[in-house]
Formats: sequence, structure tokens, C-alpha cells
Amino acid sequence: GAVVSQHPSWVICKSGTSVKIECRSLDFQATTMFWYRQFPKQSLMLMATSNEGSKATYEQGVEKDKFLINHASLTLSTLTVTSAHPEDSSFYICSARAIAGGSDTQYFGPGTRLTVL
Amino acid sequence: DQQVKQNSPSLSVQEGRISILNCDYTNSMFDYFLWYKKYPAEGPTFLISISSIKDKNEDGRFTVFLNKSAKHLSLHIVPSQPGDSAVYFCAANSKGGANNLFFGTGTRLTVIP
Repeated sequence: GAVVSQHPSWVICKSGTSVKIECRSLDFQATTMFWYRQFPKQSLMLMATSNEGSKATYEQGVEKDKFLINHASLTLSTLTVTSAHPEDSSFYICSARAIAGGSDTQYFGPGTRLTVL
Repeated sequence: DQQVKQNSPSLSVQEGRISILNCDYTNSMFDYFLWYKKYPAEGPTFLISISSIKDKNEDGRFTVFLNKSAKHLSLHIVPSQPGDSAVYFCAANSKGGANNLFFGTGTRLTVIP
């Protein structure tokens, strides 16, 4: 099956610093990638849709200036949490959409645990 | 507003028996549904999907049933195995594919050896 990687898997940072998370589709090209956030014991919440070569589309309530998304190639999207604060601590998961052979699926990365002190 | 709901937060099943996970949705425009399995601190793993033109899709031990009139879908796992113990999420979309998915809150399945 399609493989999506994320780096780093966990990060601890000080309040006010910025953190970049990478999402890569390893064995397929993805024109569309997605960034989700999951709070403990809650569902995945879509933050933004990342389209290769164009600006990301953010969901209502997500600050685009705080969560910068760049989808520079068909295999890489990055999420930068700028000026992170403790309330940004969460589990961030990316996914990449794969359409092939009649199937249409989002494949997820392993997630990144962000802790802001 | 939770458009996809999984009303059972947890389910325990004996090994070898059938596990039935349920999912309800409110948006009648949803036409594509997926089930994912998730272990703690990992990303979801795709299991099976179904388009609204079908009412059943089967893949090995996993079968998804869709009842459009009731806005209900279910995932059947048979026979259940201890390795199936995880949180299961259903997801839905209204654009005929896996774009902008709306996720349910998940059901934790425990398969007892």
C-alpha cells in the first residue's frame, strides 16, 4: 500500500519558537495532502488542504498565518507552527490522497506529537 | 457540528466472533465512506471504502455495509483477532472521493483472546 512518512515523530519546543513538520508520500505522487490535528480522546479535525503548487485551503477557525503550509512538490508538504504556544500542543497528522485503479483513498502519516513548554 | 457519529465509544468482542462497528451520518450529500484503524500515537491505517452506488463492499475479513436511507454504515470484522484491537474511525465525503473527509469520533475495539 501507499506509504506516507512524517518527520519528526515528536518535538518539544519552547513557547514562541516555530516548528516545521514534514509530510512525504514515499511511493506515490500526491497533488493533494491534508493536515489534521487530534486532541486526546477526540476525532481527527481537518486543519487545511494542501495542493501542490498553490495556496493551502484552511478550515474555518484555523489561523493561516500561524499554521503555514507549503506543498512545494508532489511528494512533500510542510506544516510550520509559528510562534508556538502551549495550547498548540497536540498530535498533528498528515495524509496524502492517492487516486489509482478505481480507488480513491487518503493515506495517513504516523503523526507528530508536538509539546510546547 | 458532528456530521459523522460513532455512538459507541468502545466495544469488546471475544476472539473468533464478529465485531460490528457502527457509524451514522447526517449529511445526505455524503457519497463516499471510508473506515480507518488507528493505534495510539500512530496515524490511521486505511481499511476499506464504499461508494454510495454500492451497499456492500468486502475485503477479506472486513465488510462494510451502507444503508443510505438510514444514513448508516457498519464495519463487520469476522473472525475478530486480538490484533484487531484498536480505535476505528469512519469517515465520509461529499465529493465522490477521499477529499475533505469528515471523521467520526472513533470506537475502541478490544478483542479478548
